[in-house]
Amino acid sequence: KAGVTQTPRYLIKTRGQQVTLSCSPISGHRSVSWYQQTPGQGLQFLFEYFSETQRNKGNFPGRFSGRQFSNSRSEMNVSTLELGDSALYLCATKGTVDNYGYTFGSGTRLTVV
Amino acid sequence: GESVGLHLPTLSVQEGDNSIINCAYSNSASDYFIWYKQESGKGPQFIIDIRSNMDKRQGQRVTVLLNKTVKHLSLQIAATQPGDSAVYFCAENPAGGTSYGKLTFGQGTILTVHP
Repeated sequence: KAGVTQTPRYLIKTRGQQVTLSCSPISGHRSVSWYQQTPGQGLQFLFEYFSETQRNKGNFPGRFSGRQFSNSRSEMNVSTLELGDSALYLCATKGTVDNYGYTFGSGTRLTVV
Repeated sequence: GESVGLHLPTLSVQEGDNSIINCAYSNSASDYFIWYKQESGKGPQFIIDIRSNMDKRQGQRVTVLLNKTVKHLSLQIAATQPGDSAVYFCAENPAGGTSYGKLTFGQGTILTVHP
């Protein structure tokens, strides 16, 4: 089965701009979680969506938002970008009957200049 | 072992040796634990998981041990190969509704395997 697909792979944005990242889960996976990975803070949980509803949220400012569509694809948006938002953004998906944990995509590398 | 901050612990081994990577987790309510391997430029790759009702689980060349008394997790890799070189993360997921999708990750350990 196809893996988790994240687009785009790389992105360069200017401070103050906004950005939208996309995550297409493995077919049948309805849970999509987003993480930010930086060298200083490691992997940090942003939010989780299931059946188009946000079920859980991490400790990030309101500039970080997300949504999930009826086909389980998810997007996250970061508004008013700051230099510190430069990171690898990862999504992880899980099937409701999958016993193999969360499967991650390859991520989107965001650079804010 | 685990470390907080910029400096990841490192483990350097020779090809063919056995490797042990340790992790101290923080939440006594966690009931599900996963080990991931992350290579440069890629997302974390699932290695093995274990639930809190077990203390040992084996996969292909890997074994995870869980000690709930001291909140410690370890990953053992048998006959380590150069392709095992990567950063290894442990992750925990607490039980209950507030834990949906939320894995808490350790800072990671850099494993380097020398031919």
